[in-house]
Amino acid sequence: AQTVTQSQPEMSVQEAETVTLSCTYDTSESDYYLFWYKQPPSRQMILVIRQEAYKQQNATENRFSVNFQKAAKSFSLKISDSQLGDAAMYFCAYRVGGADGLTFGKGTHLIIQP
Amino acid sequence: EPEVTQTPSHQVTQMGQEVILRCVPISNHLYFYWYRQILGQKVEFLVSFYNNEISEKSEIFDDQFSVERPDGSNFTLKIRSTKLEDSAMYFCASSELRTAMNTEAFFGQGTRLTVV
Repeated sequence: AQTVTQSQPEMSVQEAETVTLSCTYDTSESDYYLFWYKQPPSRQMILVIRQEAYKQQNATENRFSVNFQKAAKSFSLKISDSQLGDAAMYFCAYRVGGADGLTFGKGTHLIIQP
Repeated sequence: EPEVTQTPSHQVTQMGQEVILRCVPISNHLYFYWYRQILGQKVEFLVSFYNNEISEKSEIFDDQFSVERPDGSNFTLKIRSTKLEDSAMYFCASSELRTAMNTEAFFGQGTRLTVV
């Protein structure tokens, strides 16, 4: 069975600084996809960034980037120049290629200190 | 910007009662999903649905659960004879193509179901 582990229930960072959220996963599959979702308070979960396992290059979306270490089964999210609007619950998720269902971690609550 | 909307935001029901959770997916989306998150636990996949049929379901989605697209706009999750352990946040999602085809799913805000 696939599992996703987020070891940091809560993280706090000063505005404009950089923060890294950790995620590890366990799978025996070779074809899979990894995602980071953001859920602001009382709002929808939205996709921040995704990574195809077959791609060696780390995905980047503006201030958001990932450090994908396939051998270590690690998929961390780096947020640069943190902004107040980044405050949210962040979920790491995994999906096997060809399947619909996402497997989520428990989430990391990110606090941005002004 | 189009959104997936879920109603109500919070529903309280008595144990043993049937409950229907409602979702309005994004209008041009054809694939629909339900997830749930028990308080303090992970978000878990329940079911995916396309063309009036279940495409994929998890072990959680047993005979107690059913899904339906009763009309052209709504997508519902019915829980028969609710149990205390069904208390959770239920998220609806939709996508233009199957997420298995690496298409992004868009999530609703969730309905918090409390079984008392």
